[in-house]
Amino acid sequence: KAGVTQTPRYLIKTRGQQVTLSCSPISGHRSVSWYQQTPGQGLQFLFEYFSETQRNKGNFPGRFSGRQFSNSRSEMNVSTLELGDSALYLCASSLGGFGLLSYSPLHFGNGTRLTVT
Amino acid sequence: QQPVQSPQAVILREGEDAVINCSSSKALYSVHWYRQKHGEAPVFLMILLKGGEQKGHEKISASFNEKKQQSSLYLTASQLSYSGTYFCGTRGSNFGNEKLTFGTGTRLTIIP
Repeated sequence: KAGVTQTPRYLIKTRGQQVTLSCSPISGHRSVSWYQQTPGQGLQFLFEYFSETQRNKGNFPGRFSGRQFSNSRSEMNVSTLELGDSALYLCASSLGGFGLLSYSPLHFGNGTRLTVT
Repeated sequence: QQPVQSPQAVILREGEDAVINCSSSKALYSVHWYRQKHGEAPVFLMILLKGGEQKGHEKISASFNEKKQQSSLYLTASQLSYSGTYFCGTRGSNFGNEKLTFGTGTRLTIIP
């Protein structure tokens, strides 16, 4: 079974530009979550999508947005990039759902490393 | 709120035991443990639910003290392969749509 695929692996952008990151979940997984990872801050939750609906959102400015398609693939967009947006962006998929299914493990991709100059 | 992990970093020799703690200022319903090796994606270790028993397999186990809002991860007779950063994630309710909030991680280094 193929794992979670994130593209691209590396990105270099300049301040003010926008960027779109892509995530293909494991087949059959309907939930996709996005996390920002920076040294010392751990994994900061961005948002979660389940069946094309945003189910939860973290404490990030509106410049960060995302969406999920009918095939569960997800994209994350950051507009008007700032230097502080430099980070590793991780996508994680899970079966999702309700009840005990909501506790299915997260499967992380290898991430997209974004550098803003 | 982000759970607090301790210690932030620890260095052990192969064969020694390690304990990583995770505490929250709010009531917890579930605690999730992940390990991330350098340059790799985080990998799921285990989940503990409120009212559940201590979980684990072989040399890695965890406990969940609901009253103290704490969880501990135990690594017995550590191996070189245990090196990495360990994250605990927490949820305060059993609603499926509550986000999983991770701590800042504990870096574990095992030396020969």
